[in-house]
Amino acid sequence: DTEVTQTPKHLVMGMTNKKSLKCEQHMGHRAMYWYKQKAKKPPELMFVYSYEKLSINESVPSRFSPECPNSSLLNLHLHALQPEDSALYLCASSQRGQPQHFGDGTRLSIL
Amino acid sequence: QQPVQSPQAVILREGEDAVINCSSSKALYSVHWYRQKHGEAPVFLMILLKGGEQKGHEKISASFNEKKQQSSLYLTASQLSYSGTYFCGPIQGAQKLVFGQGTRLTINP
Repeated sequence: DTEVTQTPKHLVMGMTNKKSLKCEQHMGHRAMYWYKQKAKKPPELMFVYSYEKLSINESVPSRFSPECPNSSLLNLHLHALQPEDSALYLCASSQRGQPQHFGDGTRLSIL
Repeated sequence: QQPVQSPQAVILREGEDAVINCSSSKALYSVHWYRQKHGEAPVFLMILLKGGEQKGHEKISASFNEKKQQSSLYLTASQLSYSGTYFCGPIQGAQKLVFGQGTRLTINP
């Protein structure tokens, strides 16, 4: 079991749907991250929140919208996704400069 | 800029040793190593800091050569549980972790 909890574990959605991915941690970490991982590739950074403020956006398309309601929660809102967005979405948290703790991910399939 | 790992894949028999290298074209100040098993999340293994300080919690060692901008991960007397894909990740800025392309390690009985 990981200390970073992601829900749902699997998600299948159509290109016109709106859905959200959720991530929660209770380790007191003040930095939280979203990564996208395709098969046999390394995780690619999408967003970083530091003290609940967006600090890094890696030129991610606007159909992905992150939100950090509080220091323990991180959401990723999805809208009008494309088939190429199918991937494993990983959430992580850390203290500044320290190792990142990853959740088990949400496996997303776009029909 | 993505660090370069070598080799891309290794197949070992249980008990053999392996070395995985991570090179960067940018100056390295710290390097993180992670292992990801199939279908699971990446798990932190070790952090190497400028100045030689090393922090980790498994029986795996690593080195950090600042001049060569390279880190190496040493797995000795490998166990079946060591199988997985290993990623190095130099930190760029305060928080941005950029992973290498990964090294797939297979340990056979």
